Amino acid sequence: GAVVSQHPSWVICKSGTSVKIECRSLDFQATTMFWYRQFPKQSLMLMATSNEGSKATYEQGVEKDKFLINHASLTLSTLTVTSAHPEDSSFYICSASGGGRRLNYGYTFGSGTRLTVV
Amino acid sequence: DAKTTQPTSMDCAEGRAANLPCNHSTISGNEYVYWYRQIHSQGPQYIIHGLKNNETNEMASLIITEDRKSSTLILPHATLRDTAVYYCIVRVANFGNEKLTFGTGTRLTIIP
Repeated sequence: GAVVSQHPSWVICKSGTSVKIECRSLDFQATTMFWYRQFPKQSLMLMATSNEGSKATYEQGVEKDKFLINHASLTLSTLTVTSAHPEDSSFYICSASGGGRRLNYGYTFGSGTRLTVV
Repeated sequence: DAKTTQPTSMDCAEGRAANLPCNHSTISGNEYVYWYRQIHSQGPQYIIHGLKNNETNEMASLIITEDRKSSTLILPHATLRDTAVYYCIVRVANFGNEKLTFGTGTRLTIIP
């Protein structure tokens, strides 16, 4: 099966600093990557969709200048939370598609990053 | 994406079959039914998907009604490790850049 590696698995940062989260597809080329945010006891909420080499498409209400997404290669996408504040504390999850029929045209998810801003 | 409706929570005894229903009455002809699950503090995991025929793999079985307006995910012999939130999603397959929209899912608890 496909593997998507997400790092770090958890991070604690001070308010006002920036944090970068990496998402890598290890055994397939991810033409599209998705970033989700999940608050406790809630469902996943899509933040943005990124295609390799192009600008990300953000969902309504998601600040693109605060959540910077870079998808520079077919195997790597990064999410940078800039000037983080306590309300940005959440579980961030990436997902990658592109495995085609081999992966049931499905999406493979990373293991998530728990961000705590203090 | 068509909307789906799932029960908020369910319990199932360990070793028994867990049957998780999903209603998708507005599903389009080219939309597939996908099931994912999320174990606490992990990313979602693909389980199974189907269009109109029943499907089975090493994890589960998927039963889709003839009118395709509902489906049931079956975990044949539930174990404690199957405790998770299960999401039913309908989407067009063969189209990898379509975004997935997650509903609230069903929180399945396996009882020892």
